[in-house]
Order: sequence, then C-alpha cells, then structure tokens
Amino acid sequence: DAMVIQNPRYQVTQFGKPVTLSCSQTLNHNVMYWYQQKSSQAPKLLFHYYDKDFNNEADTPDNFQSRRPNTSFCFLDIRSPGLGDAAMYLCATSRDRQAYEQYFGPGTRLTVT
Amino acid sequence: AQSVTQPDIHITVSEGASLELRCNYSYGATPYLFWYVQSPGQGLQLLLKYFSGDTLVQGIKGFEAEFKRSQSSFNLRKPSVHWSDAAEYFCAVAPSGGYNKLIFGAGTRLAVHP
Repeated sequence: DAMVIQNPRYQVTQFGKPVTLSCSQTLNHNVMYWYQQKSSQAPKLLFHYYDKDFNNEADTPDNFQSRRPNTSFCFLDIRSPGLGDAAMYLCATSRDRQAYEQYFGPGTRLTVT
Repeated sequence: AQSVTQPDIHITVSEGASLELRCNYSYGATPYLFWYVQSPGQGLQLLLKYFSGDTLVQGIKGFEAEFKRSQSSFNLRKPSVHWSDAAEYFCAVAPSGGYNKLIFGAGTRLAVHP
C-alpha cells in the first residue's frame, strides 16, 4: 500500500544535541509537510516543500531546518533541541498544491533529556 | 485571520449512543473543510472532507458531517459509537484557492464508556 513512513517512531535526544527525523513516501506526491504537535494541542505547520521549493512558516524557529533530497524523502533537522521541542513530529504529503487532502505518517515522538 | 474552533475539549459517550462533535470556522469565503481522527500515539487519518456540493458528506467508519454556511459550522456525527472510536478528533480548514495549508482546531478528545 502507498503510504507515508516516519522513522524512528520514538527518538530520545539530549538537550542541545542535533537530531534528524526522517519521512519517506511511496505516494509520489509533490508536496511534503512537517508539523509539530505538542501534548493535547493541534498540529502546527513548521514548513513544507513543494517539489524542491522550500516554504517556511513565519513563526518557525531557526533551530528547525529541513531537507528534501528527492521526491520520496524529507528530513527534519533540529540543530540544538531544547526541552520545549519535545513533541510529536508529523510528516504529511499532498499530491500538489491544489490538492487539499493531506496524508499523514504515524509521527515521531521526540523526547529531550 | 482564519481560525477553527472546537468548543468541546472532552466528550464522553456510552457505546451505542449517538455522537456530534462541533466545529466552527472563521473565514471570509467558504473554505475546504476536513475532519481527521488521531488514535493515541498515531498520526492523523482523514475521516471526511467537504469542498463543494452536497452539504452532507459521508466519510469512513460510519461518520458523516454537515456543512452549514449560515452557521459557519461543520459538525461531525455518528449515529452509534463503538468503543474503537475513542480518539482525538480534529477539524481543519484550508483556504479555497490558496496554497494547501491546513489550519487545525484544538481537537476534541472522545472517550467511550462500555
């Protein structure tokens, strides 16, 4: 089945130690998104890629970066995680910018110690 | 600014009872509307969506939602709840005609009593 895959499902990192979360998709969608979801809150969009075009949300901290080396993969890099960055990170895809339906992966739960 | 309001943070129903989860949006035009469900520790699964046309939309798992323009609402309903429906439910909107950005409500956590 076509799907969105996130690895790892659980990640523990130390305060200030860089961490990378990965997302892959077999849907061949053009758009990939990263959301941050803190406990009992709604997902919050960090940024998205439309093909290779990177689009950052205005309030996304500089500490968060992303890479998309090809259509299938997208990475979220947190350069210096703080305790406030502990959250669930969700990857999503959509076919293109005019396709409003987004498909979500299972998420990566990040713990910062 | 666009916003989505889910007035109920927690709802508890008995198994077999009917369910209605409320969602109101604030937007100048009719946006595209969605309901997603999230089980504990999982990603979001799309239940249903409304873009245009018939204001009563059917989704997966026996859910339906009704768009009411006059009330700026998109309430989710299910006639008979199953224990497996216990989860968090998010209403979301995307501005029509713009680029694909979902704005989520704060969510409603549903508990189901046997």
